[in-house]
Amino acid sequence: QVQLQESGPGLVKPSQTLSLTCTVSGGSISGGGYYWSWIRQPAGKGLEWIGLIYRTGSTTYNPSLKSRLTISADTSKNQVSLRLTSVTAADTAVYYCARVTDYGGKGDYFDPWGQGTLVTVSS
Amino acid sequence: DIQMTQSPSSLSASVGDRVTITCRASQNISIYLSWYQQKPGTAPKLLIYTASNLQSGVPSRFSGSGSGTDFTLTISSLQPEDFATYYCQQSNGNPFHFGQGTKLEIK
Repeated sequence: QVQLQESGPGLVKPSQTLSLTCTVSGGSISGGGYYWSWIRQPAGKGLEWIGLIYRTGSTTYNPSLKSRLTISADTSKNQVSLRLTSVTAADTAVYYCARVTDYGGKGDYFDPWGQGTLVTVSS
Repeated sequence: DIQMTQSPSSLSASVGDRVTITCRASQNISIYLSWYQQKPGTAPKLLIYTASNLQSGVPSRFSGSGSGTDFTLTISSLQPEDFATYYCQQSNGNPFHFGQGTKLEIK
């Protein structure tokens, strides 16, 4: 059974870089049929899709974050990472990673999800 | 981008009620829609994919329907554990935007 666990600093200063890691257990991130995505949720608000990385290493980002965002993968550690630069208070949120079942972009779905990690942007 | 709009934003209902939540896409997404349930302090959980396919382990009182731009999630007989927030998500290509959520509360 695949499990995902997000980790990283809980507090980041404004203008600095937010870096998170999603460690996958019970399955390989380079296995076929799946890819990996990040989603975030500000307190009391809805879900915002951040971006994704395919097992080939190619990525797709939310246009609203694209200029500040990098998603990468380390197959040796079975980890997917997120890096968001120049953060502001608006980036304060719970950040989730999720496995996405790949139907070629038509019907792909997110399951399972990690438990999420809260990142607060504050000085 | 395809935008998703859910209605209502919140809903009060009683145990045993039949409840329907609606999701509308800003353009035709065929059947490429998923539904998620989120309880406070926990990650979202997949309920339904491709509009009407029930994820393994999800109770049969949950059902989904629709195609094109209009979709519904129905809970046939509400149970206490169903009080949560529900999100739709379009899966007809990136970016995979979510709806704003529907909070289902106990009446």
